[in-house]
Amino acid sequence: AQSVTQLDSQVPVFEEAPVELRCNYSSSVSVYLFWYVQYPNQGLQLLLKYLSGSTLVESINGFEAEFNKSQTSFHLRKPSVHISDTAEYFCAVSVTSGTYKYIFGTGTRLKVLA
Amino acid sequence: EPEVTQTPSHQVTQMGQEVILRCVPISNHLYFYWYRQILGQKVEFLVSFYNNEISEKSEIFDDQFSVERPDGSNFTLKIRSTKLEDSAMYFCASSSQGVTQYFGPGTRLLVL
Repeated sequence: AQSVTQLDSQVPVFEEAPVELRCNYSSSVSVYLFWYVQYPNQGLQLLLKYLSGSTLVESINGFEAEFNKSQTSFHLRKPSVHISDTAEYFCAVSVTSGTYKYIFGTGTRLKVLA
Repeated sequence: EPEVTQTPSHQVTQMGQEVILRCVPISNHLYFYWYRQILGQKVEFLVSFYNNEISEKSEIFDDQFSVERPDGSNFTLKIRSTKLEDSAMYFCASSSQGVTQYFGPGTRLLVL
């Protein structure tokens, strides 16, 4: 079975500072990895994903995540955050076959302070 | 850009009542899912649906739950006799090939 751990439930950070949201997973088989963002009172939006190839993936709004197989991690980073990045961020994994159901982490609430 | 839609956005019901949550997946998608998020907890998988049948269901998805794709566009989740613990946000998701899932905005269900 797969599991996802997001150790930080809340991360406060000042505007324009860098941030890293941590995600570790456990799986005995190959997985795909995802970050989703949930803004207040909204649904889950895909931020970025790792399926194969380059271990560094980027989103259009400046976030990046790096797949590290040896450390079973997929940490999310942004070099300079904006107030508008305030949201909850969920890491998820799915196995690479079958139904592709997602297993989510508990989420990290990013609060960007002015 | 096509998106998944869900109705209603909020539903309040009495314990023991039946509720139907509706979803319109992205039109050319073939894989459909329901997830739920109890307040303050993580998003949990309920069921996946492909080729007009359930392909996988979680332990949560007991006999009180059912899913249906009645008309080729809608995808519904029915809870036959709601319990207090069914109160949650329910998300529908769809995918063209199963790998990348696109989520709807959710239906917040409150069981009194």
